[in-house]
Amino acid sequence: QLHLQESGPGLVRPSETLSLTCTVSGVSVSSSAYYWGWIRQSPGKGLEWIGSIYYSGTTDYNASLRSRLTLSMDTSKNQFSLKLNSMFAADTAVYYCARHREWAFPGWFDSWGQGILVTVSS
Amino acid sequence: DIVMTQSPDSLAVSLGERATINCKSSRSLLYSSNNKNTLIWYQQKPGQPPKVLINWASTREPGVPDRFSGSGSGTDFTLTISTLQTEDVAVYYCQQYYSTPITFGQGTRLEIK
Repeated sequence: QLHLQESGPGLVRPSETLSLTCTVSGVSVSSSAYYWGWIRQSPGKGLEWIGSIYYSGTTDYNASLRSRLTLSMDTSKNQFSLKLNSMFAADTAVYYCARHREWAFPGWFDSWGQGILVTVSS
Repeated sequence: DIVMTQSPDSLAVSLGERATINCKSSRSLLYSSNNKNTLIWYQQKPGQPPKVLINWASTREPGVPDRFSGSGSGTDFTLTISTLQTEDVAVYYCQQYYSTPITFGQGTRLEIK
């Protein structure tokens, strides 16, 4: 059964870098069938797609975050990761990792992690 | 970017009554390759991630009760709950997958009157 779990700090100081990891079980992130994505949810902006990554390393980033964002994948650990630098208060949100629908991009997100609340504060 | 606008922002409906949520996109979501609309509806309950209800604008996901239905084409879409149940209290979102950036509606909060 597919399971996604986000991990990382719950508190980040302004101007620092957020690093989050999504650990996947039940399916290989190396599968050619799926893209893997990050979405965040804040009270002010609702649901926002951050970006997605494919097993080949191909990435697609939301242009609004592209200058600060790096997505990567570690197939040996069955994980994919997010780094968002120069964090500021407006980046406070619940961050979700998710799987794209099979054989489709963009498609929709058919499985989600439970989410991790990240607060940006000094 | 394709802008998704939902209406209303919140809705209170009596148990057993019909609930209707609208979603409008800033451009057509009709995908020419399969003549289907690239629009999905999610349901989100407190403390949980969104759950897929309807894909391709009108196809119910397996396991979703048949009181949920989706309709519409092009730029205007509707999620209908035919007879509201207590467990349907949630926030509902539409999302377009015609192109990136993937974009979502702002959400509609559904409550019991």
